[in-house]
Amino acid sequence: QSALTQPPSASGSPGQSVTIPCTGTSSDVGGYNYVSWYQQHPGKAPKLIIYEVSKRPSGVPDRFSGSKSGNTASLTVSGLQGDDEADYYCSSYVGINNYVFGTGTTVTVL
Amino acid sequence: EVQLVESGGGLVQPGGSLRLSCAASGFTFSYYGMYWVRQATGKGLEWVSGITNAGDTYYQGSVKGRFTISRENAQNSLVLQMNSLRAEDTAVYYCARGGIAAFDHWGQGALVTVSS
Repeated sequence: QSALTQPPSASGSPGQSVTIPCTGTSSDVGGYNYVSWYQQHPGKAPKLIIYEVSKRPSGVPDRFSGSKSGNTASLTVSGLQGDDEADYYCSSYVGINNYVFGTGTTVTVL
Repeated sequence: EVQLVESGGGLVQPGGSLRLSCAASGFTFSYYGMYWVRQATGKGLEWVSGITNAGDTYYQGSVKGRFTISRENAQNSLVLQMNSLRAEDTAVYYCARGGIAAFDHWGQGALVTVSS
């Protein structure tokens, strides 16, 4: 199973929005509504911020939103803040209790 | 509060074995699927293995036949037995709780280094 494709980097100024695409195939992203997103600060464990394409766990600000169209899922971070500077990974269920992650995107707040 | 604490990481020679443990607390362990996810230094996340609450096990292709995941519900414990280790298995290994087709809580990670 190949990793999902994400751009290596994305950036925006404070208050702006940034959108991170996550491209897979009909066997993963396109085949299931089970895309999740994780935020990882340097030296820390990942944190779940979106599950089932667009749902937010309790405590995650509504500045984080997810969507999907065909084989591409997207994470949008609105109203960028300094603490949003981190690595972001998408993940998709691929069947038979297997999962695949994206290649990761480093978000820089300018 | 959900807590996951990994232990057992360290340095091992190629071809050697290592056993990782994950101590869970703050939730009813037996209700949840549990997973191992790894991350090589400076690299992305990689799903390694999972075990359902019923005990069914699943593995990523490169570790199948070498790694064994298990759980002891009475001890609230998850284990990853790693045999025939290779240099490319070097990574931080995270224990994660299964949510709705997602990993909703993570441990702090255990570093495994395979080197002679």
